[in-house]
Amino acid sequence: DQQVKQNSPSLSVQEGRISILNCDYTNSMFDYFLWYKKYPAEGPTFLISISSIKDKNEDGRFTVFLNKSAKHLSLHIVPSQPGDSAVYFCAAMKYGNKLVFGAGTILRVKS
Amino acid sequence: GAGVSQSPRYKVAKRGQDVALRCDPISGHVSLFWYQQALGQGPEFLTYFQNEAQLDKSGLPSDRFFAERPEGSVSTLKIQRTQQEDSAVYLCASSPSGRAGETQYFGPGTRLLVL
Repeated sequence: DQQVKQNSPSLSVQEGRISILNCDYTNSMFDYFLWYKKYPAEGPTFLISISSIKDKNEDGRFTVFLNKSAKHLSLHIVPSQPGDSAVYFCAAMKYGNKLVFGAGTILRVKS
Repeated sequence: GAGVSQSPRYKVAKRGQDVALRCDPISGHVSLFWYQQALGQGPEFLTYFQNEAQLDKSGLPSDRFFAERPEGSVSTLKIQRTQQEDSAVYLCASSPSGRAGETQYFGPGTRLLVL
């Protein structure tokens, strides 16, 4: 039972353009959502998070949008840079603080 | 400051062997988590400590898996009688206090290969 789904295994974007990574979830009890970035042979690195009581959170080039009625969130990266090329994981958290991850989306930013 | 460290980074074990994986969390972090990441998948929760207390071990796949954090800092994940399906990357994460919504900081992982 996949509670967090990232339906796009990969995404390719031109440098300078917007990258949009999507994530869907099924459990309405999740109260925090996080995005992590992962380079090969490294652990996931925290990017940005959002509480379920908000619909948008912004940090520099990264913005996360949450649509609770659709149980959908997205990560926007503007402008995309070659160094953004990595695997992006969407994760959700409920009471107890354990994270439930999606399978990840590979982002390639072409220069 | 220093991040989360894990050792060894790579481990090859023969089927049936016992292995021990170590995690050094960020100094002072109260909460510690273990996750298992299979190839091509996202990390999956295994267990959670707050200080030395193991508050949640619902993700441990079998009684061959055992985790401890006896002094509330370093943690060890032990896998007994390893099987091929145990091959995965084992990730450790820590967070300052364990408050709801708090960011977890991950180590580089231990890649376990069981032959």
